[in-house]
Amino acid sequence: QVQLVESGGGVVQPGRSLRLSCAASEFTFSSYGMHWVRQAPGKGLEWVALIWSDGSNKYYTDSVKGRFTISRDNSKNTLYLQMNSLRAEDTAVYYCAKDQYGDYAMDVWGQGTTVTVSS
Amino acid sequence: QSVLTQPPSASGTPGQRVTISCSGSSSNIGSNTVKWYQQLPGTAPKLLIYSSNQRPSGVPDRFSGSKSGTSASLAISGLQSEDEADYYCAARDDSLNGLVFGGGTKLTVL
Repeated sequence: QVQLVESGGGVVQPGRSLRLSCAASEFTFSSYGMHWVRQAPGKGLEWVALIWSDGSNKYYTDSVKGRFTISRDNSKNTLYLQMNSLRAEDTAVYYCAKDQYGDYAMDVWGQGTTVTVSS
Repeated sequence: QSVLTQPPSASGTPGQRVTISCSGSSSNIGSNTVKWYQQLPGTAPKLLIYSSNQRPSGVPDRFSGSKSGTSASLAISGLQSEDEADYYCAARDDSLNGLVFGGGTKLTVL
């Protein structure tokens, strides 16, 4: 069935970097925009970034601009989130999600990967 | 402080109808469609409503959405124990050029 599987989370010190991956299967990955959404412990959902299906456009929430980069490899059906200069407030479960049809409705979600930024 | 405002909690008894509100502004709900997500404990969110009032296949028709001006609401009729979850509204925000979520509403089935 349609599936998204995140990986790459872990414990990292403040100021360091981490790259998350999201492997897609059972749908035409190259036809859909993809999002990253995060959820800090005990908190609500926060949209992080969006990349268009062909990678031509990328959008970020203000708090990660200049530090995070969303990218994709359509030949590998994989979405990425490069996170640099990590801060304690970036600690969260990170979900990747498929955009339904370009209206920012996310109809398929991964199970999430946990990122903990701590010294 | 979330851009979209939801009540932090709601409750109802089995069989009842409950509504959850979501308030925004002209740059988000006022000019874009609203989505609703259900998050059961320990799981990833699930799309419940898109385009303000459309249900994805597989979502029971007990769930319905509406929008008026800069506000939206999610209604759940025939409340069931398995509806106990966190519910989030979301909309694209033209001024932020991204998606904004409400703070979430924790629904308790008494």
